[in-house]
Amino acid sequence: NAGVTQTPKFRVLKTGQSMTLLCAQDMNHEYMYWYRQDPGMGLRLIHYSVGEGTTAKGEVPDGYNVSRLKKQNFLLGLESAAPSQTSVYFCASSLHRARGTEAFFGQGTRLTVV
Amino acid sequence: DAKTTQPPSMDCAEGRAANLPCNHSTISGNEYVYWYRQIHSQGPQYIIHGLKNNETNEMASLIITEDRKSSTLILPHATLRDTAVYYCIVRVGSTDKLIFGTGTRLQVFP
Repeated sequence: NAGVTQTPKFRVLKTGQSMTLLCAQDMNHEYMYWYRQDPGMGLRLIHYSVGEGTTAKGEVPDGYNVSRLKKQNFLLGLESAAPSQTSVYFCASSLHRARGTEAFFGQGTRLTVV
Repeated sequence: DAKTTQPPSMDCAEGRAANLPCNHSTISGNEYVYWYRQIHSQGPQYIIHGLKNNETNEMASLIITEDRKSSTLILPHATLRDTAVYYCIVRVGSTDKLIFGTGTRLQVFP
């Protein structure tokens, strides 16, 4: 199994450009998440989804949009990139269980906005 | 939402036990404590989680105090490969979203 796969792994954007980051999981997980991590800091939750067709805001949602049209995919969009969005982006997924479950993370997308 | 407090950094000698503390004094009765680690710039890796009983798996042990206001992650025999940032996280509500803090940077030295 591939687990959680993020595409692309690296990208350089010019200010004002748009792009979409793709997260795909093959574990049939209900929950999916997008985080960003700035240098020397912990991960901050951007948006998350508790199931196909549903999304919710996290801690830092401004400037980002997301869609979960298929259960296995979670897309993160930047409509007009800004230098402040330079960061490493991580996607994660998990099952929904009352006892709590582990989340599986992708290897990250390193985005630079110039 | 419960918040966690961890020391910013710790050192541990290789082969010794690493004990990483975490305070979560406002945790609710149905919230779990999770531990993840992040090695260099990789994606975080799940270690262990628990509600109120102590837990052990092949990676670590989790000790939760009786009042659940704090916990300790124990790596019984630390190796150089355990050098990482360790995050103590409390599961928020029923949506299972995970909110990360700043973590503890564990340095294992020879």
